[in-house]
Amino acid sequence: DQQVKQNSPSLSVQEGRISILNCDYTNSMFDYFLWYKKYPAEGPTFLISISSIKDKNEDGRFTVFLNKSAKHLSLHIVPSQPGDSAVYFCAATDNYGQNFVFGPGTRLSVLP
Amino acid sequence: DVKVTQSSRYLVKRTGEKVFLECVQDMDHENMFWYRQDPGLGLRLIYFSYDVKMKEKGDIPEGYSVSREKKERFSLILESASTNQTSMYLCGSGLAGVSYEQYFGPGTRLTVT
Repeated sequence: DQQVKQNSPSLSVQEGRISILNCDYTNSMFDYFLWYKKYPAEGPTFLISISSIKDKNEDGRFTVFLNKSAKHLSLHIVPSQPGDSAVYFCAATDNYGQNFVFGPGTRLSVLP
Repeated sequence: DVKVTQSSRYLVKRTGEKVFLECVQDMDHENMFWYRQDPGLGLRLIYFSYDVKMKEKGDIPEGYSVSREKKERFSLILESASTNQTSMYLCGSGLAGVSYEQYFGPGTRLTVT
């Protein structure tokens, strides 16, 4: 049973608009959440993270929101750019930062 | 810049062969990880190591073993490769207790025939 779920396998957004990628988790022991972006033939690269004691973290065009009671987080990209087209993975870990669980990914396409 | 390198980008092996995948990081990270990535399943943790000679099983360790003799190097071993181990293998490394972000290598696409 997947502990981290990304229920949308793909998402298409127009350039300049907002992209919202969603992630749900089931394990209440998760303490830290991360988003990674992956281009084809490359390893994932870290985007942004959030601790369970916060409900929002912002870095430039990227904002992550955490709703702990709903076990839900989302990544907002504003404004979306064609270079943002990639697969986005949501990941979660406990407070030791050692055992990571990744979601299946969402493929984002930003159309010019 | 953190650099994580993996020994091969593409590898083709036969069923039953012993396979070594090597990962080297240059940032003195304590934690190192091996994942496999399959379509629709995301990254699944095979093993991780938080120190030299230390290892912990991840979600899918069956059919794999690991070795960490030096801090910068973490090897994944397939003792007897099988076709269901055909996958993309990704190595990651990260600092302990500071932030949880991992840095990844480019991946090794392993095909077992």
